[in-house]
Amino acid sequence: DAGITQSPRHKVTETGTPVTLRCHQTENHRYMYWYRQDPGHGLRLIHYSYGVKDTDKGEVSDGYSVSRSKTEDFLLTLESATSSQTSVYFCAISGQGLTFSYEQYFGPGTRLTVT
Amino acid sequence: AQSVTQLDSQVPVFEEAPVELRCNYSSSVSVYLFWYVQYPNQGLQLLLKYLSGSTLVKGINGFEAEFNKSQTSFHLRKPSVHISDTAEYFCAASNTGNQFYFGTGTSLTVIP
Repeated sequence: DAGITQSPRHKVTETGTPVTLRCHQTENHRYMYWYRQDPGHGLRLIHYSYGVKDTDKGEVSDGYSVSRSKTEDFLLTLESATSSQTSVYFCAISGQGLTFSYEQYFGPGTRLTVT
Repeated sequence: AQSVTQLDSQVPVFEEAPVELRCNYSSSVSVYLFWYVQYPNQGLQLLLKYLSGSTLVKGINGFEAEFNKSQTSFHLRKPSVHISDTAEYFCAASNTGNQFYFGTGTSLTVIP
C-alpha cells in the first residue's frame, strides 16, 4: 500500500460549476500525476508534478488546472465542468520518496459525473 | 515518442487454460516495463515490472512476463487462469522513470 487517497470518491456536479479533486500521499514521492480513464481510451495523462509548485501539462490538459503547494497534496481543478469531463480520475505517484519507486502507484479513483 | 500497443482489446479464455496478453513498445533506448491489473471499480495494481537483468519476470498471482528486446515486446502469461483473474490489464513503459506510457488495455474474461 503506497498510501494514496483520493477525495471525493464519487461526485455529481452540474455543467459550468468548478470542481476540485484531491490526491493525498503519505510517502513523500516526488512525482504525482492525474489521469482520466474512459472506455476505449485507456489512461490519459492530464497533468503531472515533479515537485512542489512544479507542474506540467499532459496530453489532455485543456479545461483542467492543477496545484501542488505541499509534497503530499496534488489538486486537480475543473474550471468549468462539461459533460465531456465525466470520467474516472486517477492519481498516481512515483520516483523518490521514503523509498525510490520506478513504478507508479495508483489511488482508488474518483468517479465524476457532470450533468 | 514512445508508445505502447496492446494487440488484443478483449481476450476470452476458459478457466484453467493458459493465457498470453500481448504488449509491444516502441523505443530506441532502455526502458522500464510494467504490467498492471485493474479489477472492477478499483485502481490499478502493479502485477510485475522489468527494470534490468533477467528477461523473465515473475509477478503476483502466478503471472510472468518476458522482455524481448529484439521484438520490442513484453507479453504477459499465466499457465492456468482462474475466474478471479477476470479484469482489465494494462501494459506500460517508461524510459525516464517519471514519464509513463500506457496501452489501451486488454479485458481478460475467464469463462467457467
